[in-house]
Amino acid sequence: AQKVTQTQTSISVMEKTTVTMDCVYETQDSSYFLFWYKQTASGEIVFLIRQDSYKKENATVGHYSLNFQKPKSSIGLIITATQIEDSAVYFCAMSDDTNAYKVIFGKGTHLHVLP
Amino acid sequence: GPKVLQIPSHQIIDMGQMVTLNCDPVSNHLYFYWYKQILGQQMEFLVNFYNGKVMEKSKLFKDQFSVERPDGSYFTLKIQPTALEDSAVYFCASSLAQGGAETLYFGSGTRLTVL
Repeated sequence: AQKVTQTQTSISVMEKTTVTMDCVYETQDSSYFLFWYKQTASGEIVFLIRQDSYKKENATVGHYSLNFQKPKSSIGLIITATQIEDSAVYFCAMSDDTNAYKVIFGKGTHLHVLP
Repeated sequence: GPKVLQIPSHQIIDMGQMVTLNCDPVSNHLYFYWYKQILGQQMEFLVNFYNGKVMEKSKLFKDQFSVERPDGSYFTLKIQPTALEDSAVYFCASSLAQGGAETLYFGSGTRLTVL
């Protein structure tokens, strides 16, 4: 069965520091896709970064990067040099071949970046 | 970036009434989705729609729910009749290809309140 688990409900960090948000996934498929989305206070949902299961190199986009640990079924999101505007809810999501028509989301981690 | 528009942003109706939520997906996208979110919590997959057909639906997609996109116009979610537990924010999303291979683009959501 397809499942995405985010155990961190809320994280607070100081501005300009680095934060890692955890995500563990479950799938029976050898081919799958992992995503991180951000939901701002206004409710807007924005795609941040993705990792395809067959790629060994960790994805990086701007100050977002991923820590893909395939043997542990883990896909952590790393935000470096955090800014106040990074405060939001971050959702981990996945899709696989068996469930190609749906993207399953975790429960989200609320990030608070403090000045 | 590409925009998905949702109309209306808020809708208040009485239990038992019918409601239609409208979504204008990204123009060249082919796959359409509805997600349900309660109180800023987990994004729950409802349905995926492609080429005029429901490709996959979750157990949350009750018999009272229906989707369509007549003649390339709005992609709609209709609930008839509504129930109190249908109160939530409904997000529409679209993608160029099926969700596993392509990023989802989300609308800003429609907040549905059933009284």
